[in-house]
Amino acid sequence: DAKTTQPTSMDCAEGRAANLPCNHSTISGNEYVYWYRQIHSQGPQYIIHGLKNNETNEMASLIITEDRKSSTLILPHATLRDTAVYYCIVKGNQFYFGTGTSLTVIP
Amino acid sequence: DSGVTQTPKHLITATGQRVTLRCSPRSGDLSVYWYQQSLDQGLQFLIQYYNGEERAKGNILERFSAQQFPDLHSELNLSSLELGDSALYFCASSVDPAHDSEQFFGPGTRLTVL
Repeated sequence: DAKTTQPTSMDCAEGRAANLPCNHSTISGNEYVYWYRQIHSQGPQYIIHGLKNNETNEMASLIITEDRKSSTLILPHATLRDTAVYYCIVKGNQFYFGTGTSLTVIP
Repeated sequence: DSGVTQTPKHLITATGQRVTLRCSPRSGDLSVYWYQQSLDQGLQFLIQYYNGEERAKGNILERFSAQQFPDLHSELNLSSLELGDSALYFCASSVDPAHDSEQFFGPGTRLTVL
């Protein structure tokens, strides 16, 4: 299963876009990129996933580079409730969660 | 609310004991996954069931076992408990194990072993 690399932590001002990067240089052709977030000790929450094309839903946008070696999760207008640990996962046979990015939204 | 339920929410027990954690998947989901999250290990995949059959194993100890019943609920059994087993245990479910099928997580069971 492909591994991912994410920054340990990031800050974002409330109301601004939060751009969370992820490197997955060993991704295989049929492996999807998933993003989850975990607020405090709650169960991880699904955000978005994609294979090749950029994706958008009511929560976020996912931008995947053409070579698929990296992606960016975009929260268009961050709120204080978006403060969480964000996990980028490349799904092979299973989900393997790394250490994620701890995003703090600052008032 | 993900639709996945887990009981109990909290469990406190002593070393050497055995406990059972229960998970009910979302309606219509056939696949159930168990994860362990401890402070120093992050989220670790333990085991997966699909429609009653074991599908995949991750970092699950031999002291741990699980099963999925005909009504699709699942139980995770932890025996000969050690202090290091203290953790959050999450259950997740999905429609199927396909590559493009997202998992929905329950609220977790916090296990404390004293």
